[in-house]
Amino acid sequence: DGGITQSPKYLFRKEGQNVTLSCEQNLNHDAMYWYRQDPGQGLRLIYYSQIVNDFQKGDIAEGYSVSREKKESFPLTVTSAQKNPTAFYLCASRDRGTSGNEQFFGPGTRLTVL
Amino acid sequence: DQQVKQNSPSLSVQEGRISILNCDYTNSMFDYFLWYKKYPAEGPTFLISISSIKDKNEDGRFTVFLNKSAKHLSLHIVPSQPGDSAVYFCATLGGGSNYKLTFGKGTLLTVNP
Repeated sequence: DGGITQSPKYLFRKEGQNVTLSCEQNLNHDAMYWYRQDPGQGLRLIYYSQIVNDFQKGDIAEGYSVSREKKESFPLTVTSAQKNPTAFYLCASRDRGTSGNEQFFGPGTRLTVL
Repeated sequence: DQQVKQNSPSLSVQEGRISILNCDYTNSMFDYFLWYKKYPAEGPTFLISISSIKDKNEDGRFTVFLNKSAKHLSLHIVPSQPGDSAVYFCATLGGGSNYKLTFGKGTLLTVNP
């Protein structure tokens, strides 16, 4: 059945290491998004991609990088330059071809930097 | 500079009563509004939305009201059920082609049996 998968559910990394979070969707959606959520905060947009091989910075892109080589995949790399990487990361997608504006979210990855 | 504000961090209601969650926005260019529900350690799920050309949209127990002059929207849940206990996020769209959602900080709703 269709949906968005994020793996792993929990991720630990040592300070100074890069780590890549996976996001895969089989909904055939064109647009994909990465958000982070911190306690007591709303979701903040990190990067988004409207189409394959194209992506734009969101509101808090510093210390992150993405790629969009395939329509179904939008991995996020948290680099050592990200000063406060511990957070809950959410991936979302949207079908640009429909009139609906809602984004559909994956289950999230909790990243903890030790 | 918060463009979308949910001023109540938490709300507690009794089962069967009405829950009213509020959201204020500052940008009059926002033209589409959504409500998401989120359980701990899970992704948000879409609940209901409303376009700026309407002032009310209803879906079962959920109704969203939009007051454009006041830049205010609210989500009514009636009757409230214990399974409705979650964090509710208000989100807005500014139009254009990027479809970036701007989220409020969320309101934790607790429905007591």
